[in-house]
Amino acid sequence: GQQLNQSPQSMFIQEGEDVSMNCTSSSIFNTWLWYKQDPGEGPVLLIALYKAGELTSNGRLTAQFGITRKDSFLNISASIPSDVGIYFCAGHEAGGKLIFGQGTELSVKP
Amino acid sequence: ETGVTQTPRHLVMGMTNKKSLKCEQHLGHNAMYWYKQSAKKPLELMFVYSLEERVENNSVPSRFSPECPNSSHLFLHLHTLQPEDSALYLCASSLRTGNSPLHFGNGTRLTVT
Repeated sequence: GQQLNQSPQSMFIQEGEDVSMNCTSSSIFNTWLWYKQDPGEGPVLLIALYKAGELTSNGRLTAQFGITRKDSFLNISASIPSDVGIYFCAGHEAGGKLIFGQGTELSVKP
Repeated sequence: ETGVTQTPRHLVMGMTNKKSLKCEQHLGHNAMYWYKQSAKKPLELMFVYSLEERVENNSVPSRFSPECPNSSHLFLHLHTLQPEDSALYLCASSLRTGNSPLHFGNGTRLTVT
């Protein structure tokens, strides 16, 4: 079945650094969603993208819906310790099924 | 109270027990979902309900039985589980099925002994 390739699987960065992660799919998606999950909590929606080329920001977070509709990236600028967590991409296939990536685990060193 | 609320947050049960997980959403959404999250694995969709009708059942063993009495409430009834069923069970809701983003609860951490 359809899979999302999310990379990197994990990142260890210094506080203040910028972060970038991305997801690619083998087929066209109608939406791209980015979630963050803290330990012991459920995933929280960060950004939702609905159109190819769309670039959306949420505070220090910026995400883009790739022009080919097969990829998306999430950037975090000036990282802080509370950015620690697992970031998931997800997207709706043409048939409406929602597919999740395997997550990027972010660690931030103060 | 807003968002998606799941109870209990933690549950330990033996393989012969029967228990139920509860989910309630206060977002006015029409679709609700159960996901299983195991370590080092992507989220696994278990069940989807739209307007209280089950629209998707992803080959889930019959020891998991969902119930959706109305569009705000979703249950997952558990019986004769196996240790490999231990995981975080997440409930989510969306305005509708299709291209609507999902909003998740904080999950129930289930341990089967």
